[in-house]
Amino acid sequence: SQTIHQWPATLVQPVGSPLSLECTVEGTSNPNLYWYRQAAGRGLQLLFYSVGIGQISSEVPQNLSASRPQDRQFILSSKKLLLSDSGFYLCAWGPGAGGNIQYFGAGTRLSVL
Amino acid sequence: GQNIDQPTEMTATEGAIVQINCTYQTSGFNGLFWYQQHAGEAPTFLSYNVLDGLEEKGRFSSFLSRSKGYSYLLLKELQMKDSASYLCAVRVSTDSWGKLQFGAGTQVVVTP
Repeated sequence: SQTIHQWPATLVQPVGSPLSLECTVEGTSNPNLYWYRQAAGRGLQLLFYSVGIGQISSEVPQNLSASRPQDRQFILSSKKLLLSDSGFYLCAWGPGAGGNIQYFGAGTRLSVL
Repeated sequence: GQNIDQPTEMTATEGAIVQINCTYQTSGFNGLFWYQQHAGEAPTFLSYNVLDGLEEKGRFSSFLSRSKGYSYLLLKELQMKDSASYLCAVRVSTDSWGKLQFGAGTQVVVTP
C-alpha cells in the first residue's frame, strides 16, 4: 500500500532563517506531488506541483521554492523566511497519468517568529 | 477566477443529519471531491463525484448536479467524531496534473 511521510511535524523558525520541509512517498511510482499551505481558518492553497523528477510548477508567486530530486521525494524550501510564511504545510500525492484522488501527508505546522 | 463556496460553520446534534452544500463556478470541471479534516490533522478523502447523481458510502453520501454547479455532502446518524472541517474541492481541468481547487471548508460541530 502507498504511504506518504512528511516531516517535521512542527517547526518554529526565526524570520530570515532558511527552511527545508521534506516529503516522501512509498509504494507507488511516478506520482504527481503537491505542496499546499493552509492559513488558520482558510482553505488549502496550492503552492507547487510536480509531475516528474525536476519538473516543478508554481501556482503563486512567493518566497518559497520546491524541488523534486528523486521520483518520490518532494522538498519545500526558502532561503529567508518571512512572518507571512507561517502556516500549515501539507504535501500530497496523486496517481500520475490523470489520476484523481490526492492523498495528504500529516502536515508541518510552521511558526515564523 | 475560480469560486468554490460552502458555509463556514454548521451545528447539529448527535444522531441527526446534516447537509453541507457546495456551489462552484470554475473555468472547467472534471470532478468534485469531499475531504474531512480534523483539527490539526491532514485532510482525508471522503468521496468523488464526476457524474450527476448521488453516491452513497455508509453514513456519508455525496450528490452532484453539474448543470447547477452544486454538490452536497450528507452526513447521517451523526457521531461526535464527525466534528471536523469538510472541504469541497473541484478538479478544474482534464490534464494529467490533477490539480484541485479547494473551498474554505465547513466546520461541523456535533453536540451531545
